[in-house]
Amino acid sequence: EAQVTQNPRYLITVTGKKLTVTCSQNMNHEYMSWYRQDPGLGLRQIYYSMNVEVTDKGDVPEGYKVSRKEKRNFPLILESPSPNQTSLYFCASSIQGETDTQYFGPGTRLTVL
Amino acid sequence: GNSVTQMEGPVTLSEEAFLTINCTYTATGYPSLFWYVQYPGEGLQLLLKATKADDKGSNKGFEATYRKETTSFHLEKGSVQVSDSAVYFCALSRAGGYQKVTFGTGTKLQVIP
Repeated sequence: EAQVTQNPRYLITVTGKKLTVTCSQNMNHEYMSWYRQDPGLGLRQIYYSMNVEVTDKGDVPEGYKVSRKEKRNFPLILESPSPNQTSLYFCASSIQGETDTQYFGPGTRLTVL
Repeated sequence: GNSVTQMEGPVTLSEEAFLTINCTYTATGYPSLFWYVQYPGEGLQLLLKATKADDKGSNKGFEATYRKETTSFHLEKGSVQVSDSAVYFCALSRAGGYQKVTFGTGTKLQVIP
């Protein structure tokens, strides 16, 4: 089954404790993205990657890091989480091209205390 | 820059009512336009899309027409069902290069029996 998986699905942590949210896709997609969803703000892109070792900032990259060492994986790293990073996070992937559909993971709900 | 504006929710309708969710956009060039749907507890999934002016996207009884003259992509359905209750996101993908997607803030639809 073609899918995007994220782990964990739910996470409660404390300020300053480094964490990683994993994202993996089995569709051999070149493009992958991370979004955060906040009430009244919709989805905002954090980082994206066009292929292995190629990443770039989205609209709200501050406080986040990513890496793309393998085509299927695109982890999101919060080196020192803060309460304003409490949000619902989605990973998405798509094949190359300007009109392609994005396939979304199920989401990770993060709470930073 | 690119932006998407969609009507505020929540929208509450009775089953079998007619649905319109308004969406307008601002973009340079000729973007592709999308409607995504998010069912409770799930990630977003593509509902329909249109890639050029006057195209009509359709799926599951939903329709939207790409109107360049009014920069709009309104979502319509003739007869909604309880199972259509979800959050609907209008989005655009800029033309050329990496298909960065800009999302609207989402409109929550609740259909009551």
